[in-house]
Amino acid sequence: DAGVIQSPRHEVTEMGQEVTLRCKPISGHNSLFWYRQTMMRGLELLIYFNNNVPIDDSGMPEDRFSAKMPNASFSTLKIQPSEPRDSAVYFCASRPRQGVSYEQYFGPGTRLTVT
Amino acid sequence: KQEVTQIPAALSVPEGENLVLNCSFTDSAIYNLQWFRQDPGKGLTSLLLIQSSQREQTSGRLNASLDKSSGRSTLYIAASQPGDSATYLCARRGGYNKLIFGAGTRLAVHP
Repeated sequence: DAGVIQSPRHEVTEMGQEVTLRCKPISGHNSLFWYRQTMMRGLELLIYFNNNVPIDDSGMPEDRFSAKMPNASFSTLKIQPSEPRDSAVYFCASRPRQGVSYEQYFGPGTRLTVT
Repeated sequence: KQEVTQIPAALSVPEGENLVLNCSFTDSAIYNLQWFRQDPGKGLTSLLLIQSSQREQTSGRLNASLDKSSGRSTLYIAASQPGDSATYLCARRGGYNKLIFGAGTRLAVHP
């Protein structure tokens, strides 16, 4: 299995631009999580999908952030407009169906720099 | 408040030492606790997951324990090697299956 796939791996953009991060979960996993990691705040959950439905988006910092999961094999996290304080590493993770395992598997992350 | 605290924040040891990383959490109503490894500039690799009904899990030179009553988990690394150098993160599973992470322990094992 290729594991969780994220793209791009690195993104540098100017303030005000739209940024779209992409994630392909592990095949057969039905839960998907978006996390953000910064030096100041560590790792924080942004949003969690189960069976493509957003279950908990309480971690999404502002309306500038939105996430979608149109099907079981693809999710996007969009920031519009982006700001310098959005600079961070964004991780996507997936998890098998409950009852199989509660273990979350992380992708390599997207390092976002907003100038 | 579901805080997760890791001590120490950084650790430097000579190769071959046995070492213990600590993780404490404030809410004893825990579902499970997961230990991860993160190499610089990389993603997280899951090491061990302990369910709330379990007391410990072992994988190779790693052993993780869970004491719900005291709100603590430890990760024991036997016979440390330079390749073990990384940041180790613990995370407890909170409501809605979200993971709540500690700040991590940066481990350096020198030859």
